[in-house]
Amino acid sequence: SQTIHQWPATLVQPVGSPLSLECTVEGTSNPNLYWYRQAAGRGLQLLFYSVGIGQISSEVPQNLSASRPQDRQFILSSKKLLLSDSGFYLCAWSPQGARAEQYFGPGTRLTVT
Amino acid sequence: AQSVTQPDIHITVSEGASLELRCNYSYGATPYLFWYVQSPGQGLQLLLKYFSGDTLVQGIKGFEAEFKRSQSSFNLRKPSVHWSDAAEYFCAVGRMDSSYKLIFGSGTRLLVRP
Repeated sequence: SQTIHQWPATLVQPVGSPLSLECTVEGTSNPNLYWYRQAAGRGLQLLFYSVGIGQISSEVPQNLSASRPQDRQFILSSKKLLLSDSGFYLCAWSPQGARAEQYFGPGTRLTVT
Repeated sequence: AQSVTQPDIHITVSEGASLELRCNYSYGATPYLFWYVQSPGQGLQLLLKYFSGDTLVQGIKGFEAEFKRSQSSFNLRKPSVHWSDAAEYFCAVGRMDSSYKLIFGSGTRLLVRP
């Protein structure tokens, strides 16, 4: 069966510091991968998605970036964190092909101080 | 533009009572629809999905949802709520411009009275 991992589970970082969040998927190959942010009391905002190694699409302009160095690895990064980057970050995957449901990881709680 | 509306921010029901969570969508073609549940501090878990066919969809944990094209709705139901169902519920619809991306509603928080 497929599983999705995210780490770290929680992170407290000062403003201006770098960020690296990692997501890995097991038990499938060539998945679509997604990064979402969920601000407190709000819905999910799609940040990035990837349909293959090295293929990254950004949904919203921001100071975050994403990379996919391996088929089942998705990384969310920032060179300098802002207070507004605080939130709950969720990684998700879906099988290749149209009309596929997405499966979510456990999330990373990021607090920028 | 496509959208998903969950009109109820909070709903409180007594344990053992029935539940219906509302979801309305705007979509120009046959949609594909999902319900997810999120417990505090956790990721989202897929409850059920509708792609085509039977408009009454059965999911996990005793949930079901009914697709009504005429009302652009996909409401989630459960005949008897358990205290462990307290969580946030999200409805989602597949985007027309990209079949593998979803649009999520803003969520409904379910509180269960003992």
